[in-house]
Amino acid sequence: DTAVSQTPKYLVTQMGNDKSIKCEQNLGHDTMYWYKQDSKKFLKIMFSYNNKELIINETVPNRFSPKSPDKAHLNLHINSLELGDSAVYFCASGPPLPGELFFGEGSRLTVL
Amino acid sequence: AQSVTQLDSHVSVSEGTPVLLRCNYSSSYSPSLFWYVQHPNKGLQLLLKYTSAATLVKGINGFEAEFKKSETSFHLTKPSAHMSDAAEYFCVVSLPQGAQKLVFGQGTRLTINP
Repeated sequence: DTAVSQTPKYLVTQMGNDKSIKCEQNLGHDTMYWYKQDSKKFLKIMFSYNNKELIINETVPNRFSPKSPDKAHLNLHINSLELGDSAVYFCASGPPLPGELFFGEGSRLTVL
Repeated sequence: AQSVTQLDSHVSVSEGTPVLLRCNYSSSYSPSLFWYVQHPNKGLQLLLKYTSAATLVKGINGFEAEFKKSETSFHLTKPSAHMSDAAEYFCVVSLPQGAQKLVFGQGTRLTINP
């Protein structure tokens, strides 16, 4: 059973399109996250939700909109895609202990 | 501000020899520090964590790290490298209480030579 699963794993799309990435966790955690990993492997937090409530919103363009229908799901919707949005997006979840996150396998987004 | 600096972007060792991946941190308070590993095309996995208990921390797969406050370091070591250790390694600091905001280092790519 996959603990944190993301779909799709690969996404290739044209500039200006809208796309979504879905994430589900079966670990019973209250907190979920989206991280972005750029081409140099640098990871940065984008959003965090605790029990469906937004608690971290980094300086991310408002074209990115997370949605948490319940505490086991955190989806990421991206409007008007730009070339610079190309990256690997990781979903993660964690218990209320510092730093112990469980990551999905990532969704590689390529914008042409 | 809290940050971590991984001193080597790439480390290459032979199988069976020791591994040392270096990390220095900057923090205005007593930090929580972590090492994560990322195998190719996979998500990140927690290797070990330091949260102000014992300064020598043991993790999975034979890795360990020592927290040295005087040197502001948290280096990752393993006595004998295995081919399966080839991966990207991230040193991470956790920001203060409240939301779990992690700040990642730049990563160190570990290559194991047969």
